[in-house]
Amino acid sequence: QVQLQESGPGLVKPSETLSLTCNVSGGSMNSYYWSWLRQPPGKGLEWIGFIYYNANTNYNPSLKSRVSISTDTSKNQFSLKLSSVTAADTAVYYCARSERGGGYNWFHPWGQGTLVTVSS
Amino acid sequence: DIQMTQSPSSLSASVGDRVTISCRASQSISSYLNWYQQKPGKAPKLLMYAASNLQSGVPSRFRGRGYGTDFTLTISSLQPEDFATYYCQQSYNTPTFGQGTKVEMK
Repeated sequence: QVQLQESGPGLVKPSETLSLTCNVSGGSMNSYYWSWLRQPPGKGLEWIGFIYYNANTNYNPSLKSRVSISTDTSKNQFSLKLSSVTAADTAVYYCARSERGGGYNWFHPWGQGTLVTVSS
Repeated sequence: DIQMTQSPSSLSASVGDRVTISCRASQSISSYLNWYQQKPGKAPKLLMYAASNLQSGVPSRFRGRGYGTDFTLTISSLQPEDFATYYCQQSYNTPTFGQGTKVEMK
């Protein structure tokens, strides 16, 4: 079955750009939406945005000015860039597939998550 | 954004108990409601989608109900592996999550 794995630096300096990659294995990226979400330590979940396999994107309005999600289907990967980070961006970042059926959609499966700390 | 409010924020229960978690949306979301289970240090796991559909492989003791603004997740007989935090999530528009309900051992 499809498995997702996040990778990238665990420490980013304030004002710099956070960059993460999600590797998709066990299946094709075609015909699916692929999302990034995050969870600050001890807090709840926040959806960041998604990309369709054809590169169409949709972002959370609260983060839209700082977020970019791209895809490389030849490598079965998609990536997140979040610019001008502050300590408030410290979180576990998850990638997930957005499954759809009957007009509904949900997140499944998820990667294991990677902690990114913003600190100088 | 649609606000999702879960209650209670935490509860204490024993193995074998029936547990119900509520989730309320700030506006009608039809059946665009999903439930996830998260254990410490792990990623969330999908339990229910479209309010009442059990994800493949999830035990039948989990049941989701509701429509519009009010939803519930019920665990009919709590098992040791069910102690976790549960989140609801609306997919009506920009996805948002409830704040979570932690199910702890009494």
